[in-house]
Amino acid sequence: TQLLEQSPQFLSIQEGENLTVYCNSSSVFSSLQWYRQEPGEGPVLLVTVVTGGEVKKLKRLTFQFGDARKDSSLHITAAQPGDTGLYLCAGPFQSNTGKLIFGQGTTLQVKP
Amino acid sequence: DVKVTQSSRYLVKRTGEKVFLECVQDMDHENMFWYRQDPGLGLRLIYFSYDVKMKEKGDIPEGYSVSREKKERFSLILESASTNQTSMYLCASSLFSDTQYFGPGTRLTVL
Repeated sequence: TQLLEQSPQFLSIQEGENLTVYCNSSSVFSSLQWYRQEPGEGPVLLVTVVTGGEVKKLKRLTFQFGDARKDSSLHITAAQPGDTGLYLCAGPFQSNTGKLIFGQGTTLQVKP
Repeated sequence: DVKVTQSSRYLVKRTGEKVFLECVQDMDHENMFWYRQDPGLGLRLIYFSYDVKMKEKGDIPEGYSVSREKKERFSLILESASTNQTSMYLCASSLFSDTQYFGPGTRLTVL
């Protein structure tokens, strides 16, 4: 069974701090995605990583795909209140039906 | 831009009522999905449709049914609503690849 486990589940930090969110699995994924969900809205795709060891940057957000394609991390530098939200990692089912497996999410609160 | 719309943002129903949640996407996507989202449990797939009139059960289909008569529209039906179906319901669509585009969600309360 493919599972994605995220840690931590909750994170409350002050503006300007750095943080890292982890997404781990015992299964190999062809790619992993990161979504952000703001309160009262649906998740929105931030990035997809497809190559083992790949690093992608989106302004202050850095995403990394593990060499073995079993894990990924999201690092935020100098967090802002606008980064507040639920961060979800997701990966495709092995059967490639278009379905995704989601981690349980990391709720981030950045206080001014 | 892909747009996925859901018929209601907030809905309050009584136990035993039949509830319809509607989802429409405007990008000719093949796949459509219904999830429910509960704190600490993440997104759980209820049903998935990969073509008109085609559907597949997800992880938690009990108590739900779906309908996809047109490509752009995917409906979730709660035949007899129960209090344990109080949740946030999210609809999503995708083309062939795995990137999913979500609607804003419907927060359903069953009293």
